[in-house]
Amino acid sequence: GQQLNQSPQSMFIQEGEDVSMNCTSSSIFNTWLWYKQDPGEGPVLLIALYKAGELTSNGRLTAQFGITRKDSFLNISASIPSDVGIYFCAGQLMAGSARQLTFGSGTQLTVLP
Amino acid sequence: GAVVSQHPSWVICKSGTSVKIECRSLDFQATTMFWYRQFPKQSLMLMATSNEGSKATYEQGVEKDKFLINHASLTLSTLTVTSAHPEDSSFYICSASRLEQFFGPGTRLTVL
Repeated sequence: GQQLNQSPQSMFIQEGEDVSMNCTSSSIFNTWLWYKQDPGEGPVLLIALYKAGELTSNGRLTAQFGITRKDSFLNISASIPSDVGIYFCAGQLMAGSARQLTFGSGTQLTVLP
Repeated sequence: GAVVSQHPSWVICKSGTSVKIECRSLDFQATTMFWYRQFPKQSLMLMATSNEGSKATYEQGVEKDKFLINHASLTLSTLTVTSAHPEDSSFYICSASRLEQFFGPGTRLTVL
């Protein structure tokens, strides 16, 4: 399937720093989702965005649904060691009951103590 | 919350054998489940969409006869990798759809 353009591919940051990653698409999506995947595990949903322009927070995480519906960003504030993992964005078109996701290529986050 | 389980979590098999992977939604009913495969350091690639009571819809390039999908109930979908070969070794992940997709913990398949 198609993939979204997710950047950066990887990040090395110091504990306590803020992190920002984003996804862009040539297609419009009705829903943007952000997942985190730990090694050997399935992705875990962090934030779901349903409306263009929506800004949603989940603890230290903040994500926004771009106004054009073609992009989204995720910010992590005051990073901690357990933030290490791969972060994926995903776009969803609510087409009938299919609800297929298109995934970004992932951002590998490493938090240095 | 929405919990999705997979069984087994890992399996090692000989080339030519078949392997069945189960995906269950534990606390909600899912008319649609999805099967993905993920190679190391890569993103999730959708293999097929599994619909309860009907045939699965496969993505382009995914062999229907090799990856058999059965969605027997609103809480169970199975993926059978038939006549497995070493190139089928991968991390297989299912998801169940409510409003959002919730993922299982994945199954690591190693074909010797």
